[in-house]
Amino acid sequence: GQSLEQPSEVTAVEGAIVQINCTYQTSGFYGLSWYQQHDGGAPTFLSYNALDGLEETGRFSSFLSRSDSYGYLLLQELQMKDSASYFCAVLAGRGYQKVTFGIGTKLQVIP
Amino acid sequence: SQTIHQWPATLVQPVGSPLSLECTVEGTSNPNLYWYRQAAGRGLQLLFYSVGIGQISSEVPQNLSASRPQDRQFILSSKKLLLSDSGFYLCAWSPAGTVNYGYTFGSGTRLTVV
Repeated sequence: GQSLEQPSEVTAVEGAIVQINCTYQTSGFYGLSWYQQHDGGAPTFLSYNALDGLEETGRFSSFLSRSDSYGYLLLQELQMKDSASYFCAVLAGRGYQKVTFGIGTKLQVIP
Repeated sequence: SQTIHQWPATLVQPVGSPLSLECTVEGTSNPNLYWYRQAAGRGLQLLFYSVGIGQISSEVPQNLSASRPQDRQFILSSKKLLLSDSGFYLCAWSPAGTVNYGYTFGSGTRLTVV
């Protein structure tokens, strides 16, 4: 099966940079995704990394190291609206790929 | 453009009552469909997925079942609800025939079993 670890809570100041780490254990690994979920809402897809390295999308960047089974989500120029839960998720499987989610990191942005 | 609809938004049901949650996708054909459950303050647990009409795979043994009577319709059911079935139920879809790295979720159904 798959397992993922990420911090349960992170607090950061508005305008700052925050990094949310994710380590995983899985077989048949394809890639690592990140999702954002505001309280009471549905998760929304942020990014996907299949290859090692950094992918940048505006203020958000995501990194993957396949050899270390590790990735992170980097949020820059934090805004109050970035307060949400962030889930890493592995796409893995032999024959059919499924997405398994971590427990999520609750990010609180403070003034 | 593709859209996903899920209803109802909230539901309060007594223990032992039946359940039916419906999800439909528009603007695409033969999507992969998924049911997830999220307990309060927890991650998302995959319950069922479907790659085509009548094709259902179950991830977690439980008193829930799923059906896909039409290409873009996915239904989650239970004959008798338990207190432990309370949670946030999310339907999601992804394109068929590709590496399914990005799921699009419906708005969810918050189920409280009393």
